[in-house]
Amino acid sequence: AQSVTQLDSQVPVFEEAPVELRCNYSSSVSVYLFWYVQYPNQGLQLLLKYLSGSTLVESINGFEAEFNKSQTSFHLRKPSVHISDTAEYFCAVTSVGGGKLIFGQGTELSVKP
Amino acid sequence: GAGVSQSPSNKVTEKGKDVELRCDPISGHTALYWYRQRLGQGLEFLIYFQGNSAPDKSGLPSDRFSAERTGESVSTLTIQRTQQEDSAVYLCASSSRRTGGMNEQYFGPGTRLTVT
Repeated sequence: AQSVTQLDSQVPVFEEAPVELRCNYSSSVSVYLFWYVQYPNQGLQLLLKYLSGSTLVESINGFEAEFNKSQTSFHLRKPSVHISDTAEYFCAVTSVGGGKLIFGQGTELSVKP
Repeated sequence: GAGVSQSPSNKVTEKGKDVELRCDPISGHTALYWYRQRLGQGLEFLIYFQGNSAPDKSGLPSDRFSAERTGESVSTLTIQRTQQEDSAVYLCASSSRRTGGMNEQYFGPGTRLTVT
């Protein structure tokens, strides 16, 4: 069985400050890892993913996440956030070759001016 | 091309009634998934279809829930005798397994179900 824990349900931060959204997972098999974002009143969108290779993955809007196998973590970071980054962020895992995604409970990122 | 579409976008129903939710996946996607998102919670897996294989129903919360898919096209999620705890946003996703098993899922906008 797999599980995902997002350690913070809400993260308030000021604009241009750095942010880290934490994600830990548990799995007995190799996994793929994902971060999805849900902007207010919008559907779920893929932000970035780790499948294999380099453990540091980046998105087009400045977010990055690092896969740490020894710590079973996949934390999401951004050095300087914008108001437009305000959204709910979900970490998810699926087994390599598997199907269903197992999601964390979500982290609400609120960026204040 | 077109993304995953779902209908209706909103559904209000009385407790005890049956409801059907529809999902149109991205054309050519062989895998289709249903998830549920209750207010303030993460997404819960419900059911997964992959081609002609038997579906993975391990996430269905009770026998009031069922889903069908015709080939690699439309899927319908049916909830019988709805209860207030069924109120949630029901999300559908599809993925292609033809790109090395990447399992990248594309989500629809969801159906918001309210049981009164």
